[in-house]
Amino acid sequence: GQQLNQSPQSMFIQEGEDVSMNCTSSSIFNTWLWYKQDPGEGPVLLIALYKAGELTSNGRLTAQFGITRKDSFLNISASIPSDVGIYFCAGRGNEKLTFGTGTRLTIIP
Amino acid sequence: DTAVSQTPKYLVTQMGNDKSIKCEQNLGHDTMYWYKQDSKKFLKIMFSYNNKELIINETVPNRFSPKSPDKAHLNLHINSLELGDSAVYFCASSQRVAKNIQYFGAGTRLSVL
Repeated sequence: GQQLNQSPQSMFIQEGEDVSMNCTSSSIFNTWLWYKQDPGEGPVLLIALYKAGELTSNGRLTAQFGITRKDSFLNISASIPSDVGIYFCAGRGNEKLTFGTGTRLTIIP
Repeated sequence: DTAVSQTPKYLVTQMGNDKSIKCEQNLGHDTMYWYKQDSKKFLKIMFSYNNKELIINETVPNRFSPKSPDKAHLNLHINSLELGDSAVYFCASSQRVAKNIQYFGAGTRLSVL
């Protein structure tokens, strides 16, 4: 089945650094979602985007819906230890959500 | 208080056995889903039910049979378990007509020995 290309696959950063990750697709999506998954838990929604070009923030997180509708970006500013986890983008064209391959974020003490 | 709850959280069983995973949501949503997450963390949709009717079936083997007794429940029954079925299975729900945001359960880790 289709999966979205998400990069980078993993990131090792120091506390306080900013983080950027993105997701690209060969298909157009009507909705882009960003989820975070902690170990042993299910994905939790961070940000939802519904219009091309839309820029939405949730605290230190900012996400954008690409103009082409084929990509999306997530930025985290001033990272803190609880930001560690796996971040997934997800795009929806009709009924189905297609998930990205995930970005594993690790914070180096 | 939990929005989407799955049981059991862990399931260890022998190859060839039949097992079920239960899912319940108390969000009042009309659509429920089952996803499979493999060891590389790839999340893939398996099934989706809207108001107890199947709307998505992603080429899943016949050994997997979802059952939705009502809008708030979507159970997954697996026959003749195989080693390759080992994964984490996530249930999710959404309100289809609204923004259709999916909310996930905590997952069931299935290990087939």
